[in-house]
Amino acid sequence: EVQLVQSGAEVKKPGATVKISCKVSGYTFSDYYMHWVQQAPGKGLQWMGLVDPEDGETLYAEKFQGRVIITANTSIDTVYMDLSSLGSEDTAVYYCATVNPRGDFQHWGQGTLVTVSS
Amino acid sequence: NFMLTQPHSVSESPGRTVTISCTRSSGSIASNYVQWYQQRPASSPTTLIYEDNQRPSGVPDRFSGSIDISSNSASLSISGLKTEDEADYYCHSFDGINWVFGGGTKLTVL
Repeated sequence: EVQLVQSGAEVKKPGATVKISCKVSGYTFSDYYMHWVQQAPGKGLQWMGLVDPEDGETLYAEKFQGRVIITANTSIDTVYMDLSSLGSEDTAVYYCATVNPRGDFQHWGQGTLVTVSS
Repeated sequence: NFMLTQPHSVSESPGRTVTISCTRSSGSIASNYVQWYQQRPASSPTTLIYEDNQRPSGVPDRFSGSIDISSNSASLSISGLKTEDEADYYCHSFDGINWVFGGGTKLTVL
């Protein structure tokens, strides 16, 4: 069974950096890109970026370019997402997710709530 | 970059059929496949439709997808509405560089 298990909720001050992890099991880690998706309270889904676990190559959405870093650690089948210069608008649930060959986001983590508050 | 625009909310009665639209702002809707997801409160999204009109195994045939080139939009239809269909629905497409989601549609079944 494929599982994506994310780290727990975080509370951060404005200007800080948050690091969220996503540990995978049930498939070969390098087989699928790992994506991150943001969902602000009561809002829709916003694609943030992805990493290719095989070679570490990344692609980021323009909205988050310069503030997000996504990395993969193949020794422990875990992907990380760092988001810096946090503001109140970054208060959101963050999901890791894989896209399967047919093109849909098939497997999702449970989500990690990040609250940015002074 | 293109955008996908959905109605903010729709409502319909149990047993009826509802259709949710997803309009692409630029480029042809037929250029890239459209997917549809259902998201219930406090849950991760799940796939209802992939490649415009394909259902994953386990998704009831009450759910169907289509595209309309003339209106440059995709649609998700849900027939025989059930109260359990009350959820948020998102369309999604990918142009080779950007993974784009629609803003989501809240379906109320009343």
